[in-house]
Amino acid sequence: QKEVEQNSGPLSVPEGAIASLNCTYSDRVSQSFFWYRQYSGKSPELIMSIYSNGDKEDGRFTAQLNKASQYVSLLIRDSQPSDSATYLCAVKGGSEKLVFGKGTKLTVNP
Amino acid sequence: GAGVSQSPSNKVTEKGKDVELRCDPISGHTALYWYRQSLGQGLEFLIYFQGNSAPDKSGLPSDRFSAERTGGSVSTLTIQRTQQEDSAVYLCASSSYNSPLHFGNGTRLTVT
Repeated sequence: QKEVEQNSGPLSVPEGAIASLNCTYSDRVSQSFFWYRQYSGKSPELIMSIYSNGDKEDGRFTAQLNKASQYVSLLIRDSQPSDSATYLCAVKGGSEKLVFGKGTKLTVNP
Repeated sequence: GAGVSQSPSNKVTEKGKDVELRCDPISGHTALYWYRQSLGQGLEFLIYFQGNSAPDKSGLPSDRFSAERTGGSVSTLTIQRTQQEDSAVYLCASSSYNSPLHFGNGTRLTVT
């Protein structure tokens, strides 16, 4: 079983819609969860971090964590073409090792 | 410095040659990570350092790969006898305790 799994997509949504990105992880002791955005040819940049169950909102972005289900998601409201990128879920378990999923490619159509 | 600095930004080398990739983390960051990203793929964990020691080097693909970190700061990733399958972008990231990773711009390695 892969440590961090994401639907590779591509996910395509119209401008202004809500984009929903999902991630599951296998290590039950995981404590820290991150979403990174990676534009083509660029390095990943941090969007959100979440450490406890529930929702965390930052502008148009909402991260949701459910440790019992080992599930973390990212919602992007009012999607813009500039949100088109690959979104990487990352999980830190009992050690400081940060494991990434393979990413979901999102395209927002004008 | 203001961010994670990696050098060189691009490296083209002939198969069989050795290469050294350098990473200068954000000042004060104790943890330093190396990842590899092949074209269109996700981030493959290679190794991470806490200070000068490497608690987890499980991702190094073979004994041709080695890394060190000195003075709790700069790290070098060395690939000996490079092969074409080593071609990828090598990303370095740093963090302080329990904080997110901040990535450098990467080194694009091409083995011809």
